[in-house]
Amino acid sequence: GQQVMQIPQYQHVQEGEDFTTYCNSSTTLSNIQWYKQRPGGHPVFLIQLVKSGEVKKQKRLTFQFGEAKKNSSLHITATQTTDVGTYFCAARSGYALNFGKGTSLLVTP
Amino acid sequence: NAGVTQTPKFQVLKTGQSMTLQCAQDMNHNSMYWYRQDPGMGLRLIYYSASEGTTDKGEVPNGYNVSRLNKREFSLRLESAAPSQTSVYFCASSESGFGQGTEAFFGQGTRLTVV
Repeated sequence: GQQVMQIPQYQHVQEGEDFTTYCNSSTTLSNIQWYKQRPGGHPVFLIQLVKSGEVKKQKRLTFQFGEAKKNSSLHITATQTTDVGTYFCAARSGYALNFGKGTSLLVTP
Repeated sequence: NAGVTQTPKFQVLKTGQSMTLQCAQDMNHNSMYWYRQDPGMGLRLIYYSASEGTTDKGEVPNGYNVSRLNKREFSLRLESAAPSQTSVYFCASSESGFGQGTEAFFGQGTRLTVV
């Protein structure tokens, strides 16, 4: 399946600091999705990016899709304790939906 | 609207025992998936089903079998459980599949321990 690599694996920030997670692929992606999983919960869809260079915002979250459609990023401005969780990127390979290993975010008040 | 329902939520098995994890969705989705989640490994695709009557192997299919019973239900069977299958299992569904970006909806997960 199509492999997407995520970095970093873990990130610990103070509340109010910014956070970024990166997703990279060796092949061109048709689209990329981002999910959030709260501790003890299940993954929940955040957004999908389709176009080269696309940028989408959801309040303090900014999602980008690279010009070559091989990488993507999620940036959170001024983190809050409610942002705690694991963020996954996911990409399609045919009918399969493959996830990266995720970035676990811990926010200290 | 229940979405994706998984049963059971928790299960403890002895090595060698068999069991079936059940999953049902009420969103009329064509595609369904089974994932396992282990610490530091993310979500790994076990099997998926693009439509009723079809199933395909994902990244880690060994030791598992699946059945797409109808459009709503997709079950995962462990024929002879091993400690390496201790994990959290998630079922998911999406409206369509091939190369298309339709969001996946997840069940609450099944926490399985094999002793």
